[in-house]
Amino acid sequence: EDQVTQSPEALRLQEGESSSLNCSYTVSGLRGLFWYRQDPGKGPEFLFTLYSAGEEKEKERLKATLTKKESFLHITAPKPEDSATYLCAVQVYSTLTFGKGTMLLVSP
Amino acid sequence: KAGVTQTPRYLIKTRGQQVTLSCSPISGHRSVSWYQQTPGQGLQFLFEYFSETQRNKGNFPGRFSGRQFSNSRSEMNVSTLELGDSALYLCASSLGTGANEQFFGPGTRLTVL
Repeated sequence: EDQVTQSPEALRLQEGESSSLNCSYTVSGLRGLFWYRQDPGKGPEFLFTLYSAGEEKEKERLKATLTKKESFLHITAPKPEDSATYLCAVQVYSTLTFGKGTMLLVSP
Repeated sequence: KAGVTQTPRYLIKTRGQQVTLSCSPISGHRSVSWYQQTPGQGLQFLFEYFSETQRNKGNFPGRFSGRQFSNSRSEMNVSTLELGDSALYLCASSLGTGANEQFFGPGTRLTVL
């Protein structure tokens, strides 16, 4: 059975304090790994897609990396507006399996 | 370019009733997927429609059903509502079948009393 585990469940950072979120997966035949950001009361917002081990993508203060067993979302010098729940999902065949997310709170 | 829209945004129903939720995908997107999000289970895949055909189905009972129209708009229906059906129901659209770069709507918050 495909499994996606995100850690930590919650993370509190001070503004400017860099950190990383982890997404580990156990799937057969990964076709893609996705990162989303979700604000309270809203739908997930697409951030990145990674397709192969060694691939990296960046967007503003966020950088996503992928290995054969896990992905990291690195947050550099976060700001309060980066506070949100970050979700990762794996694509096997044509559906997405989501992790339960990491709730990030960045304090000023 | 307008995003994915879902109506209604909020619904309150009682046990045993049925409900229909609507989703309009991004213009040009032909695939629509539905998810249920709860605090305990997170986001769980319900089903995917492409060109008016159900392509994939998640592990949910037959009370959950859906359809897609020729303009790619989709509806999902839940019959004989149970308390455990209370959740945020999210619709996501993508250009083609498969999960590549799905874009989500704001969701419909369903409360079953």
